[in-house]
Amino acid sequence: RKEVEQDPGPFNVPEGATVAFNCTYSNSASQSFFWYRQDCRKEPKLLMSVYSSGNEDGRFTAQLNRASQYISLLIRDSKLSDSATYLCVVPRGDSNYQLIWGAGTKLIIKP
Amino acid sequence: EPEVTQTPSHQVTQMGQEVILRCVPISNHLYFYWYRQILGQKVEFLVSFYNNEISEKSEIFDDQFSVERPDGSNFTLKIRSTKLEDSAMYFCASIPQEYEQYFGPGTRLTVT
Repeated sequence: RKEVEQDPGPFNVPEGATVAFNCTYSNSASQSFFWYRQDCRKEPKLLMSVYSSGNEDGRFTAQLNRASQYISLLIRDSKLSDSATYLCVVPRGDSNYQLIWGAGTKLIIKP
Repeated sequence: EPEVTQTPSHQVTQMGQEVILRCVPISNHLYFYWYRQILGQKVEFLVSFYNNEISEKSEIFDDQFSVERPDGSNFTLKIRSTKLEDSAMYFCASIPQEYEQYFGPGTRLTVT
């Protein structure tokens, strides 16, 4: 299994719909997980941190399944502005400060 | 709200030349990072820097690369003898505490 793996997409979703995508990770010792959002040719921006079973922030919910080693990101009532690439990030097992980045899932919200 | 800044936004250089990419991290942050992202590919860790020295580096960060924090504010990445495959976006990031990284807008490096 790759260290961090994501479905590259693209996910084409109508505005207002709910969309979810997963990220699997290989290091069972990881304690924290992150979702970043990256717009085309821009820097990644932190969307959510997940330190326990999950986290919710408005329309966004991240859930962690330690047994199956995946985290998911759910976006409700999607907006056109949600179109971006969503990056799953996991600290490397033998490092406190080095992060392993997934290749990202591209999301396209259509009007 | 304080932010990480990077200059230049776009650098074009000829193969074999040296380039210096500059970053000003958020002032009270302690850890600093350089990442690379080749167009269409994933973000790749290059190096982390703490207390004026390299704390970790990846396999990518070979003798061609070096980092410095010369004056306590700027954080620079030097790439010697650039190659075509060094063309990428280079992001600087800093953190106030473990893991939650704040990124600069990046420098697009084009090697011709």
